[in-house]
Amino acid sequence: KNEVEQSPQNLTAQEGEFITINCSYSVGISALHWLQQHPGGGIVSLFMLSSGKKKHGRLIATINIQEKHSSLHITASHPRDSAVYICAVGTGNQFYFGTGTSLTVIP
Amino acid sequence: KAGVTQTPRYLIKTRGQQVTLSCSPISGHRSVSWYQQTPGQGLQFLFEYFSETQRNKGNFPGRFSGRQFSNSRSEMNVSTLELGDSALYLCASSLQPGYYGYTFGSGTRLTVV
Repeated sequence: KNEVEQSPQNLTAQEGEFITINCSYSVGISALHWLQQHPGGGIVSLFMLSSGKKKHGRLIATINIQEKHSSLHITASHPRDSAVYICAVGTGNQFYFGTGTSLTVIP
Repeated sequence: KAGVTQTPRYLIKTRGQQVTLSCSPISGHRSVSWYQQTPGQGLQFLFEYFSETQRNKGNFPGRFSGRQFSNSRSEMNVSTLELGDSALYLCASSLQPGYYGYTFGSGTRLTVV
């Protein structure tokens, strides 16, 4: 059983569409992270959440601690948003990762 | 401000050999954590160091070890390499443990032949 489940695995969108990526986890967490990985491997930390909602530009991340669920939203998607998005949870002792959502935004 | 620096970027080793990877954190960051990424298993947590002490360790065999120096630079060592150790090894640094405010390096891609 995976401690972190992400959906969908793959996502193709037209430029300008609103995108949602979901993450569910089964462990008690100290924080949840959304990461972005571009081809070539470099990882960028987008958000760190322990409650509520955060917004950065066109990206919005929410978390519901009671339901153990988080969502990453991208408004007005752009081809440069094409990447793998990874949900990760830290428990204080361990760090668990989702398998990632591969997003392709078509012009 | 310089980011997290990992060296080397690419490495090819033979089965049975050992390898040492290096990670220099962002200046002022005292926590360094290591991760393995493979196509089959995705990202997995290896271990975390803070103030030269290993704080946490993931579910990897003892062939995987690490250390942290007084300047916060960290090294990861894999002994008796196996083909399955071929992966992208990433490190991340943060001011302190607790998985807050992590900055990732670009990784070292290790190929075992």
